[in-house]
Amino acid sequence: ETGVTQTPRHLVMGMTNKKSLKCEQHLGHNAMYWYKQSAKKPLELMFVYSLEERVENNSVPSRFSPECPNSSHLFLHLHTLQPEDSALYLCASSQDRAGNEQFFGPGTRLTVL
Amino acid sequence: GENVEQHPSTLSVQEGDSAVIKCTYSDSASNYFPWYKQELGKGPQLIIDIRSNVGEKKDQRIAVTLNKTAKHFSLHITETQPEDSAVYFCAASGGKGNTPLVFGKGTRLSVIA
Repeated sequence: ETGVTQTPRHLVMGMTNKKSLKCEQHLGHNAMYWYKQSAKKPLELMFVYSLEERVENNSVPSRFSPECPNSSHLFLHLHTLQPEDSALYLCASSQDRAGNEQFFGPGTRLTVL
Repeated sequence: GENVEQHPSTLSVQEGDSAVIKCTYSDSASNYFPWYKQELGKGPQLIIDIRSNVGEKKDQRIAVTLNKTAKHFSLHITETQPEDSAVYFCAASGGKGNTPLVFGKGTRLSVIA
């Protein structure tokens, strides 16, 4: 266990559905991250939150909407996704934004039909 | 920004042999270089890291070397075992702009018994 949990572990959704991924860290960290992992781009950074403020958004389509209500929780809201969005979505946390170890959750395997 | 290249993309070794994975980075200001191991169905987990004030670091069967002049670092696994089979990612961070980790594309290591 890394101290970072993600739910659900698996999700199948249609293109018109709305769903949310949840991440929780029990490490007292100040930074949290969403990554997309697929065969084409093994670890693609999507969003970075530091002290609950979004500090980085790597040109991610608006159908992905992150939310960080407090320093321990991070959500990724999904709406009208495409089949190419099927991937493993990984959450991570670190003490601060840069130069420190990131702890990863187990990921959510998302399939968009 | 930082760019990390990782080679090889796949590596097969006989049990008991050594495995070496190499990475290069572009930002000379980067100062933190971790290696992650990702097993099937799990998120990446840190196995060893090195900072720029150190040239080599060992932890039992794994070691990392850093050449700041050439801007490359390597992971060495000795006496490989079947449980070492996984995908390994290198990363770099701490450069200009206090950026988070930038990952290589991964190496799939297979240890053949």
